[in-house]
Amino acid sequence: RKEVEQDPGPFNVPEGATVAFNCTYSNSASQSFFWYRQDCRKEPKLLMSVYSSGNEDGRFTAQLNRASQYISLLIRDSKLSDSATYLCVVSSFQKLVFGTGTRLLVSP
Amino acid sequence: SAVISQKPSRDICQRGTSLTIQCQVDSQVTMMFWYRQQPGQSLTLIATANQGSEATYESGFVIDKFPISRPNLTFSTLTVSNMSPEDSSIYLCSVEDRGQRVSYNEQFFGPGTRLTVL
Repeated sequence: RKEVEQDPGPFNVPEGATVAFNCTYSNSASQSFFWYRQDCRKEPKLLMSVYSSGNEDGRFTAQLNRASQYISLLIRDSKLSDSATYLCVVSSFQKLVFGTGTRLLVSP
Repeated sequence: SAVISQKPSRDICQRGTSLTIQCQVDSQVTMMFWYRQQPGQSLTLIATANQGSEATYESGFVIDKFPISRPNLTFSTLTVSNMSPEDSSIYLCSVEDRGQRVSYNEQFFGPGTRLTVL
């Protein structure tokens, strides 16, 4: 079983749609959780961290459920520029473990 | 936040040869990491490059195949030795540094080196 699992997609949505990505992780000792964004042929960049209480950054909302070892990312009012691969990332003792990513395609 | 450059940006190499990838950071950082991203896969940590001591390798990666140097706090190299087509991948350097938007240390990635082994 992979340490971090994601649905690879692609998720094809129209502009303005709301889309949700899910991720599960297997290491219950994991300490920090993140969503990274990776554009085609580019390096990953931090989108946002994920807290148990849930956190929001503009159109993006991240949630963590430690009991279920489950992380989610919600994107509201999708823009064309949101098209990218979203990587679920789990950290344990400063070591990052990446999911394979979920590809999002937002169309006009 | 750290700005990272890598050289070369891409290369095509013959099997059996070696390639050294350079990573330069614009500020002094304690933690530097080397990752591999194979086609269609996610990132896998190869090793942590420690300044002044040997690198710490992850399971499945060994020093003979991926020797690493870390001569100072702004520079590191990764060598891919005795290459085979299975080594074709993107190799990314990463550093841990204070992020602009966050109160904790964030990992920043270099632009990557795209390696093709024939």
